[in-house]
Amino acid sequence: DVHLVESGGGLVQPGRSLRLSCAASGFIFSSYWMSWVRQAPGRGPEWVANIKSDGSEKYYVDSVKGRFTISRDNVKNSLYLQINSLRTQDTAVYYCATYSRAAGLVYWGQGTLVTVSS
Amino acid sequence: DIQMTQSPSTLSASVGDRVTITCRASQSFSFWLAWYQQKPGRAPKLLIYKASTLESGVPSRFSGSGSGTEFTLTISSLQPDDFASYYCQQYNSYPWTFGQGTKIDIK
Repeated sequence: DVHLVESGGGLVQPGRSLRLSCAASGFIFSSYWMSWVRQAPGRGPEWVANIKSDGSEKYYVDSVKGRFTISRDNVKNSLYLQINSLRTQDTAVYYCATYSRAAGLVYWGQGTLVTVSS
Repeated sequence: DIQMTQSPSTLSASVGDRVTITCRASQSFSFWLAWYQQKPGRAPKLLIYKASTLESGVPSRFSGSGSGTEFTLTISSLQPDDFASYYCQQYNSYPWTFGQGTKIDIK
């Protein structure tokens, strides 16, 4: 079975940094593009970033460019999201998900909550 | 950016009803559209991809159609487990975008 487990969320002050992790198992991690999607309280999902299977291509939504960095470690079967200069608008549940061009966002983790507040 | 406008935002229905949700895109694209179901406190679940392909394990009462700028999700006979929120998402071009969602509640 595919398992994606996010961690690293919490309560953070504006302007600080956070690193989210996503531990993957049950599939060949190094063969898949991966995504981060976030969902603010009471809102719909928002795509945040994608990374190619070998890490050579990365894409971001405009609102996080320059502040968020997606990365992966195919040896550790892990996906990361480095979040800098946190803003209150970044408060959301952050999900990692597998992506395939054929099928979209197929498998999702349970999410990790990031709350940005002073 | 492709904006996805989903309607209705809420829908009251009864078990056994046929339900249709529409997603309109601000730009035309072929079929790189997915539909997700989400229940409170849970991650979204993929139902339909490539506009009309049913994800493995998803009941056949769910179907998707459309291309260009108009896409629809249809539930042929609403079941108790289907009361949830539904989102469309285009993955035709970056940035990927989701519709605002449709919440189906009990009439």
